[in-house]
Amino acid sequence: KNEVEQSPQNLTAQEGEFITINCSYSVGISALHWLQQHPGGGIVSLFMLSSGKKKHGRLIATINIQEKHSSLHITASHPRDSAVYICAAGGATNKLIFGTGTLLAVQP
Amino acid sequence: NAGVTQTPKFQVLKTGQSMTLQCAQDMNHNSMYWYRQDPGMGLRLIYYSASEGTTDKGEVPNGYNVSRLNKREFSLRLESAAPSQTSVYFCASTGQGVGTEAFFGQGTRLTVV
Repeated sequence: KNEVEQSPQNLTAQEGEFITINCSYSVGISALHWLQQHPGGGIVSLFMLSSGKKKHGRLIATINIQEKHSSLHITASHPRDSAVYICAAGGATNKLIFGTGTLLAVQP
Repeated sequence: NAGVTQTPKFQVLKTGQSMTLQCAQDMNHNSMYWYRQDPGMGLRLIYYSASEGTTDKGEVPNGYNVSRLNKREFSLRLESAAPSQTSVYFCASTGQGVGTEAFFGQGTRLTVV
């Protein structure tokens, strides 16, 4: 069993839909990271959180420490949101353990 | 502010050739990392450096060596490339303290034939 698991692996949505990507982890963490990777592109940090909820524009990330679960929500999705979204668990040394990613395609 | 700069972006090697991937960050970060990304798998840690002058093995270190030349630079060397090392490589850095944001380079797509 992977230490960081994401679901779903693939997600297709229509423009405007509300999207949720889930992440479960089995390791102790100092922070949970959500990252975005566009096809052929680099990796960009979206959120880093250790408790509660963070919001940036149309993106919202939540974490439940007791349940070892985090979610990334995208409101009013747009085709430019199409990318791979990666969850990563950060430990005491800031080394990251990555999930395998969720490939999101938002269709116009 | 360039962040994390990684070179080259693309490279094709023949089996047995050697090469060095370069990484530099301008954020005065202590910790630097090398990851590889393979289809169907999450990024995996090859080596990391918690501070200048120190390096430690990650999950998949075999076939690689690293050098933390100074606080800014962290290089990854393949001494004798193998087809199994075909991958996309990412350098990353994090700042001081626990639970800090990670910054990534643009990646190096390496093909070993």
